[in-house]
Amino acid sequence: GIQVEQSPPDLILQEGANSTLRCNFSDSVNNLQWFHQNPWGQLINLFYIPSGTKQNGRLSATTVATERYSLLYISSSQTTDSGVYFCAVGGGGTSYGKLTFGQGTILTVHP
Amino acid sequence: GAVVSQHPSRVICKSGTSVKIECRSLDFQATTMFWYRQFPKQSLMLMATSNEGSKATYEQGVEKDKFLINHASLTLSTLTVTSAHPEDSSFYICSAPGRENQPQHFGDGTRLSIL
Repeated sequence: GIQVEQSPPDLILQEGANSTLRCNFSDSVNNLQWFHQNPWGQLINLFYIPSGTKQNGRLSATTVATERYSLLYISSSQTTDSGVYFCAVGGGGTSYGKLTFGQGTILTVHP
Repeated sequence: GAVVSQHPSRVICKSGTSVKIECRSLDFQATTMFWYRQFPKQSLMLMATSNEGSKATYEQGVEKDKFLINHASLTLSTLTVTSAHPEDSSFYICSAPGRENQPQHFGDGTRLSIL
């Protein structure tokens, strides 16, 4: 199956700093999503981005499908950005809908 | 608003109890839904695929007789943890695919604690 690696595993920032989270995957995909898991376990979908670049406020993401990686950018970080960020990828055909999650990046933003 | 509703959000029960978790797609039909499990401080792992009108397909290492899945209608899938034991304590979360080229929608998850 598809392997997904996220880096860094942990990230500690001061409020206002910028950060980049990376997701590498081992095969071609037709689905890639970035999630923020809040303390209650809810998965907040940040981006659906199997390719290209998207922006939403202070967050943006870029996926280079041909090179099998995706980046999540967080600018001007806030304490409320703290939590676990997951990258998840999925293939097509009989695997359509199934997602393989990376191990996550634990982000801590200090005031 | 939420497009996938999952209930209950939290269950605490004694060892040996069977627990049913519901996952409903709101405002859309889902012939396929997915069930994931997340142990503390770990990532989410796919357990099984719930198929409307046919048997569920399970990932390697997941006990079919322990985790019963029923896709009762085009908007409802249920996961029943049978004779639950403390090692089954985990966070269970379901998802339903959107249209092609659309993101997966996740429920809010169920935190199961077996005493």
